[in-house]
Formats: sequence, C-alpha cells, structure tokens
Amino acid sequence: QVQLVQSGAEVKKPGASVKISCKASGYTFTNYALHWVRQAPGQSLEWLGWISGGSGNTKYSQAFQDKVTITKDTSASTVYLDLSSLRSEDTAVYYCARSFSGLSNGWYVLHHWGQGTLVTVSS
Amino acid sequence: SYEVTQPPSVSVSPGQTGTITCSGDKLGDKYTSWYHQKSGQSPVLVIYQDDKRPAGIPERFSASNSGDTATLTISGTQAMDEGDYYCQAWDTNGVPYVVFGGGTKLTVL
Repeated sequence: QVQLVQSGAEVKKPGASVKISCKASGYTFTNYALHWVRQAPGQSLEWLGWISGGSGNTKYSQAFQDKVTITKDTSASTVYLDLSSLRSEDTAVYYCARSFSGLSNGWYVLHHWGQGTLVTVSS
Repeated sequence: SYEVTQPPSVSVSPGQTGTITCSGDKLGDKYTSWYHQKSGQSPVLVIYQDDKRPAGIPERFSASNSGDTATLTISGTQAMDEGDYYCQAWDTNGVPYVVFGGGTKLTVL
C-alpha cells in the first residue's frame, strides 16, 4: 500500500532554516507528483508547491516561492522541503501528499498524505 | 488571488443529510476536491474531480460543482463523519494555483 513517512518534529529559532523529508513507498515513485501543504495551529490548509517524481520539475505557490524549495532523491524515493528565514508565523504542521494520478486532471488531487511534521519556530 | 469560502460550521443529526458548500467566482469552471480531517489526523480525500469518490469512500458521500458553488452532501450521516471538511480548487490555466477553503466543522448531534 502507498505510504508516505515524514521526518520528526523540529524546533528552530527565528531566522534559521529547516529541511524535512518524506519517504515514499508502495508505488512507482517516478509516476506521480508529491506536494507539500502546511497547516498552522487551528487554521486551514495552505498549498506550498509540488515536485514531479519523474522529471524533478517543481511548481511553487506564488505566496511561498521565496520561502520554500522542494527537491528529491529518486534513488531513495524521498522528497524534501527546505524552509528558509523562519518566522513564528511558519509554525505549522507540514504535510507531504501524493497526487491522485500522473495525468493532468489528477496532478493536483492530493490522494495519499503523510503523517505530518510539526515545525515550531520560537526564540 | 483566487479564494473559496466555506461556512465555519454545520450541524446534522445522525442519519440525516448534511450539506457543506464552497463558493468562489466561477468555481464551476475549475476542478474541486473535498478532504475530511479528524482531529489530530491527516486529511483524507473524499471527493475529486467535482463528483468522483476514490476507492474506499462510502457511497453516502456525493458532490457537485456548478456556477459559483460546489456542494458536498453526506447522506445518512454517521458519527464517524464528524470533523473538518476542506474544499480545494485548482486551475492550470495561466499560472497554476491551488487554494483551500477555510474549512467547515461538521458536528453530528
């Protein structure tokens, strides 16, 4: 079965950076996109961007393009989310999610989700 | 930037039909999905491509999208259906974007 296992919780100081991971298994990694979504405490979901598991192409939300970088290691079936210049407002649970399909109308449908990684930014 | 709006809360009695709306300008021209999130858990996809159910999602979940409003309907609501529901809209014409609604808390009482 499809599994997305994320790295553990992080505590960072303002201005620092953090890199969190999402290891995929149970499907052909290169056939799907992996997205990152965040959820601040008590708030809704915010889409950050995606990476193609095949080509490595990326697309970022305009609101976060200066904040996040998404990369992958195909040999390890793992994608990474780099967050820079952290602020208290970046405190949130960060989720990775796999696309429903590799086709255009399923690319942005988030079918399988990781368990989430809590990033806390505090001085 | 594009926005979609949901009511903050909806209440429904067990066995009755619950309805959650999602509104946005010409939303019917975009693709919508719906996600269910229980407290402390990751979201679960319940509807995609406006009205399709992924494998494993009960038939009591249905949806539509037309005009400015997408609607999620839960027939014969059960206690396990409680939680937050988020609509998602996306469009790849021009600069691709994905937006989520603010979420609707469904209470089964």
